[in-house]
Amino acid sequence: EAGVAQSPRYKIIEKRQSVAFWCNPISGHATLYWYQQILGQGPKLLIQFQNNGVVDDSQLPKDRFSAERLKGVDSTLKIQPAKLEDSAVYLCASSHRSTSTDTQYFGPGTRLTVL
Amino acid sequence: AQSVTQPDIHITVSEGASLELRCNYSYGATPYLFWYVQSPGQGLQLLLKYFSGDTLVQGIKGFEAEFKRSQSSFNLRKPSVHWSDAAEYFCAVGATGSARQLTFGSGTQLTVLP
Repeated sequence: EAGVAQSPRYKIIEKRQSVAFWCNPISGHATLYWYQQILGQGPKLLIQFQNNGVVDDSQLPKDRFSAERLKGVDSTLKIQPAKLEDSAVYLCASSHRSTSTDTQYFGPGTRLTVL
Repeated sequence: AQSVTQPDIHITVSEGASLELRCNYSYGATPYLFWYVQSPGQGLQLLLKYFSGDTLVQGIKGFEAEFKRSQSSFNLRKPSVHWSDAAEYFCAVGATGSARQLTFGSGTQLTVLP
């Protein structure tokens, strides 16, 4: 079974530029999550999708971050414009369902550096 | 709201020695508890999880964890560490009921000496 795929793996941009990350979840997984992991911290949930609908985006900085999951499969996370403090690893995860007991499977992440 | 504390930022052990990583949580009801491991350049991999029942949980790679409600702890243990265990370990709590998101601790970096 293929795991969660993410691209690109690394991205370096200057502040105020835009950037987009892509995630393809495990086949058949209805729930998709985007996390932000700042160096030295644990992952923090940004947004959760159930199929193509948003379940929780309470911690997403909506003035600059946006995410979509068209057709309920793959997803993109965009930052526009980027700030220095957005430097982090962006992790995508998926699970079969959205219950708390369901295991979340993580992709390798995209490491973003904002200069 | 739930929270997780991992008091040890960095732990160093010799190969073959036993290991215990500490995790304390804060949550008003019985939590769902997880341990994940993250190797450099890799995503997080689930080691084990606790939902209910037996408080001693067995996981992959020879790891186990014990849920102690009285101490609000869920410490991770391994009797004999291998060099390949060097990685960062994250404890996470998931709320029961309708909530779904995981709250992670800040992680413990494990170094294994030959």
